[in-house]
Amino acid sequence: ETGVTQTPRHLVMGMTNKKSLKCEQHLGHNAMYWYKQSAKKPLELMFVYNFKEQTENNSVPSRFSPECPNSSHLFLHLHTLQPEDSALYLCASSQDLGATNEKLFFGSGTQLSVL
Amino acid sequence: KQEVTQIPAALSVPEGENLVLNCSFTDSAIYNLQWFRQDPGKGLTSLLLIQSSQREQTSGRLNASLDKSSGRSTLYIAASQPGDSATYLCAALRGAQKLVFGQGTRLTINP
Repeated sequence: ETGVTQTPRHLVMGMTNKKSLKCEQHLGHNAMYWYKQSAKKPLELMFVYNFKEQTENNSVPSRFSPECPNSSHLFLHLHTLQPEDSALYLCASSQDLGATNEKLFFGSGTQLSVL
Repeated sequence: KQEVTQIPAALSVPEGENLVLNCSFTDSAIYNLQWFRQDPGKGLTSLLLIQSSQREQTSGRLNASLDKSSGRSTLYIAASQPGDSATYLCAALRGAQKLVFGQGTRLTINP
Protein backbone atom coordinates (compact mmCIF):
# COMPACT_ATOMS: atom_id res chain seq x y z
CA GLU A 1 0.00 0.00 0.00
CA THR A 2 1.62 3.20 -1.17
CA GLY A 3 -0.68 5.67 0.57
CA VAL A 4 -2.19 6.68 -2.77
CA THR A 5 -5.12 4.54 -3.90
CA GLN A 6 -6.61 4.59 -7.37
CA THR A 7 -9.82 2.99 -8.56
CA PRO A 8 -10.67 1.25 -10.74
CA ARG A 9 -7.45 -0.58 -11.65
CA HIS A 10 -8.75 -1.38 -15.13
CA LEU A 11 -11.43 0.31 -17.23
CA VAL A 12 -12.76 -0.43 -20.69
CA MET A 13 -15.11 2.12 -22.18
CA GLY A 14 -16.66 3.02 -25.48
CA MET A 15 -16.17 6.40 -27.08
CA THR A 16 -19.63 7.59 -26.06
CA ASN A 17 -19.42 6.53 -22.41
CA LYS A 18 -18.93 8.72 -19.36
CA LYS A 19 -16.74 7.36 -16.60
CA SER A 20 -14.68 8.68 -13.69
CA LEU A 21 -11.32 7.76 -12.23
CA LYS A 22 -10.84 8.17 -8.50
CA CYS A 23 -7.73 8.86 -6.47
CA GLU A 24 -7.41 9.08 -2.70
CA GLN A 25 -4.30 9.83 -0.69
CA HIS A 26 -3.85 9.03 2.98
CA LEU A 27 -0.58 10.90 3.43
CA GLY A 28 -1.85 14.31 4.51
CA HIS A 29 -0.43 15.92 1.38
CA ASN A 30 -1.64 19.20 -0.08
CA ALA A 31 -0.79 18.72 -3.76
CA MET A 32 -2.23 16.12 -6.15
CA TYR A 33 -1.50 15.36 -9.78
CA TRP A 34 -2.79 13.45 -12.78
CA TYR A 35 -0.25 11.94 -15.19
CA LYS A 36 -0.80 10.02 -18.41
CA GLN A 37 1.53 7.19 -19.43
CA SER A 38 1.12 5.99 -23.01
CA ALA A 39 3.06 3.15 -24.57
CA LYS A 40 6.40 4.29 -26.02
CA LYS A 41 6.03 7.82 -24.57
CA PRO A 42 7.30 9.49 -21.40
CA LEU A 43 4.91 10.32 -18.59
CA GLU A 44 2.94 13.47 -19.32
CA LEU A 45 1.68 15.81 -16.62
CA MET A 46 -2.01 16.58 -17.09
CA PHE A 47 -3.25 18.51 -14.07
CA VAL A 48 -1.95 19.81 -10.76
CA TYR A 49 -4.00 20.77 -7.71
CA ASN A 50 -2.70 22.51 -4.61
CA PHE A 51 -5.01 22.94 -1.62
CA LYS A 52 -7.94 21.96 -3.90
CA GLU A 53 -7.13 24.70 -6.42
CA GLN A 54 -6.02 23.82 -9.94
CA THR A 55 -2.60 25.28 -10.61
CA GLU A 56 -1.72 23.52 -13.85
CA ASN A 57 -3.62 22.38 -16.93
CA ASN A 58 -1.08 21.09 -19.39
CA SER A 59 -3.17 21.78 -22.51
CA VAL A 60 -5.37 18.78 -21.84
CA PRO A 61 -8.44 18.32 -24.10
CA SER A 62 -11.76 19.20 -22.49
CA ARG A 63 -12.95 15.59 -22.72
CA PHE A 64 -10.84 15.15 -19.56
CA SER A 65 -12.34 17.04 -16.62
CA PRO A 66 -10.61 16.99 -13.23
CA GLU A 67 -12.26 17.56 -9.88
CA CYS A 68 -10.64 18.02 -6.48
CA PRO A 69 -13.27 18.32 -3.73
CA ASN A 70 -10.66 18.29 -0.95
CA SER A 71 -6.92 17.75 -0.51
CA SER A 72 -7.36 13.98 -0.13
CA HIS A 73 -9.46 13.20 -3.17
CA LEU A 74 -8.97 13.74 -6.88
CA PHE A 75 -11.20 12.66 -9.73
CA LEU A 76 -10.77 12.56 -13.49
CA HIS A 77 -14.08 12.61 -15.35
CA LEU A 78 -13.95 11.13 -18.84
CA HIS A 79 -16.37 11.85 -21.67
CA THR A 80 -16.33 11.14 -25.40
CA LEU A 81 -12.83 9.73 -25.37
CA GLN A 82 -10.84 8.63 -28.39
CA PRO A 83 -8.94 5.35 -28.85
CA GLU A 84 -5.65 7.29 -28.59
CA ASP A 85 -6.61 8.17 -25.02
CA SER A 86 -5.99 4.55 -24.03
CA ALA A 87 -3.17 4.67 -21.48
CA LEU A 88 -2.20 4.19 -17.86
CA TYR A 89 -3.47 7.14 -15.81
CA LEU A 90 -1.45 7.77 -12.70
CA CYS A 91 -2.34 9.87 -9.69
CA ALA A 92 0.38 11.29 -7.46
CA SER A 93 0.63 13.47 -4.39
CA SER A 94 3.27 15.53 -2.62
CA GLN A 95 3.38 17.50 0.61
CA ASP A 96 3.43 20.86 -1.12
CA LEU A 97 4.34 22.54 -4.39
CA GLY A 98 7.51 24.42 -5.00
CA ALA A 99 9.96 22.79 -2.61
CA THR A 100 12.97 21.46 -4.48
CA ASN A 101 13.26 18.36 -2.32
CA GLU A 102 9.65 17.25 -2.68
CA LYS A 103 9.12 13.62 -3.52
CA LEU A 104 6.08 12.42 -5.39
CA PHE A 105 4.11 9.41 -4.23
CA PHE A 106 2.26 7.56 -6.98
CA GLY A 107 -0.76 5.32 -7.01
CA SER A 108 -0.82 2.08 -9.01
CA GLY A 109 -2.75 3.66 -11.83
CA THR A 110 -5.87 2.95 -13.87
CA GLN A 111 -5.27 1.12 -17.14
CA LEU A 112 -7.81 2.63 -19.53
CA SER A 113 -8.82 1.11 -22.84
CA VAL A 114 -11.08 3.08 -25.17
CA LEU A 115 -12.82 1.02 -27.83
CA LYS B 1 12.09 23.07 -23.58
CA GLN B 2 13.52 20.42 -21.29
CA GLU B 3 14.02 16.99 -22.83
CA VAL B 4 15.13 13.95 -20.90
CA THR B 5 16.64 10.92 -22.62
CA GLN B 6 17.46 7.51 -21.24
CA ILE B 7 19.76 5.09 -22.98
CA PRO B 8 19.55 2.16 -23.42
CA ALA B 9 15.81 1.54 -23.67
CA ALA B 10 16.34 -2.01 -22.42
CA LEU B 11 19.15 -3.83 -20.64
CA SER B 12 19.57 -7.47 -19.66
CA VAL B 13 22.40 -8.61 -17.37
CA PRO B 14 23.24 -11.68 -15.27
CA GLU B 15 22.57 -11.62 -11.55
CA GLY B 16 25.39 -10.25 -9.43
CA GLU B 17 26.71 -7.74 -11.95
CA ASN B 18 27.14 -4.06 -11.21
CA LEU B 19 25.41 -1.85 -13.76
CA VAL B 20 24.89 1.77 -14.74
CA LEU B 21 21.78 3.38 -16.17
CA ASN B 22 22.15 6.67 -17.99
CA CYS B 23 19.99 9.79 -18.11
CA SER B 24 20.66 13.01 -20.00
CA PHE B 25 18.80 16.32 -19.97
CA THR B 26 19.03 19.30 -22.29
CA ASP B 27 18.48 22.22 -19.89
CA SER B 28 20.90 22.39 -16.96
CA ALA B 29 18.65 24.81 -15.06
CA ILE B 30 17.02 22.10 -13.00
CA TYR B 31 16.02 22.07 -9.34
CA ASN B 32 16.58 18.37 -8.87
CA LEU B 33 16.93 15.05 -10.65
CA GLN B 34 14.90 12.09 -9.50
CA TRP B 35 15.07 8.36 -10.18
CA PHE B 36 11.97 6.17 -10.00
CA ARG B 37 11.28 2.48 -10.33
CA GLN B 38 8.15 1.12 -12.04
CA ASP B 39 7.05 -2.50 -11.94
CA PRO B 40 4.80 -3.77 -14.78
CA GLY B 41 1.30 -2.30 -14.60
CA LYS B 42 2.12 -0.40 -11.42
CA GLY B 43 2.80 3.13 -10.33
CA LEU B 44 6.18 4.70 -9.72
CA THR B 45 8.26 4.37 -6.58
CA SER B 46 10.72 7.14 -5.75
CA LEU B 47 14.27 5.80 -5.36
CA LEU B 48 16.61 8.76 -5.10
CA LEU B 49 16.37 12.54 -5.37
CA ILE B 50 19.47 14.66 -6.05
CA GLN B 51 19.21 18.38 -5.42
CA SER B 52 20.84 20.66 -8.01
CA SER B 53 23.52 21.59 -5.48
CA GLN B 54 24.42 17.95 -4.80
CA ARG B 55 26.64 15.56 -6.72
CA GLU B 56 25.24 12.20 -5.61
CA GLN B 57 22.86 10.33 -3.36
CA THR B 58 23.04 6.78 -2.05
CA SER B 59 20.46 4.33 -0.78
CA GLY B 60 21.58 0.78 -0.08
CA ARG B 61 22.89 -0.74 -3.32
CA LEU B 62 21.82 2.28 -5.34
CA ASN B 63 23.94 5.34 -6.07
CA ALA B 64 22.82 8.22 -8.25
CA SER B 65 25.14 10.96 -9.51
CA LEU B 66 24.41 14.31 -11.08
CA ASP B 67 26.58 16.41 -13.39
CA LYS B 68 24.60 19.51 -14.29
CA SER B 69 27.28 21.00 -16.51
CA SER B 70 27.20 18.01 -18.84
CA GLY B 71 23.47 17.40 -18.43
CA ARG B 72 23.91 13.85 -17.17
CA SER B 73 22.86 11.61 -14.32
CA THR B 74 23.67 7.98 -13.72
CA LEU B 75 22.08 5.34 -11.52
CA TYR B 76 24.54 2.72 -10.33
CA ILE B 77 23.15 -0.59 -9.07
CA ALA B 78 25.61 -2.81 -7.22
CA ALA B 79 25.38 -6.60 -7.03
CA SER B 80 22.18 -6.79 -9.06
CA GLN B 81 19.39 -9.19 -8.06
CA PRO B 82 16.40 -10.61 -9.97
CA GLY B 83 14.16 -8.42 -7.79
CA ASP B 84 15.78 -5.36 -9.34
CA SER B 85 14.08 -6.18 -12.63
CA ALA B 86 11.81 -3.23 -13.45
CA THR B 87 11.69 -0.08 -15.54
CA TYR B 88 13.79 2.77 -14.19
CA LEU B 89 12.81 6.32 -15.00
CA CYS B 90 14.63 9.55 -14.41
CA ALA B 91 12.94 12.92 -14.20
CA ALA B 92 14.22 16.48 -14.06
CA LEU B 93 12.39 19.12 -12.04
CA ARG B 94 12.36 22.45 -13.86
CA GLY B 95 9.65 24.32 -11.98
CA ALA B 96 7.02 23.92 -9.29
CA GLN B 97 6.53 20.16 -9.60
CA LYS B 98 7.01 20.30 -13.36
CA LEU B 99 8.78 16.99 -13.62
CA VAL B 100 9.96 16.07 -17.11
CA PHE B 101 10.38 12.32 -17.46
CA GLY B 102 12.54 10.17 -19.68
CA GLN B 103 11.06 7.12 -21.40
CA GLY B 104 12.79 4.74 -19.03
CA THR B 105 15.20 1.83 -19.18
CA ARG B 106 13.65 -1.61 -18.88
CA LEU B 107 16.06 -3.69 -16.78
CA THR B 108 16.05 -7.49 -16.63
CA ILE B 109 18.31 -9.34 -14.19
CA ASN B 110 18.73 -12.98 -15.18
CA PRO B 111 19.19 -15.57 -12.38
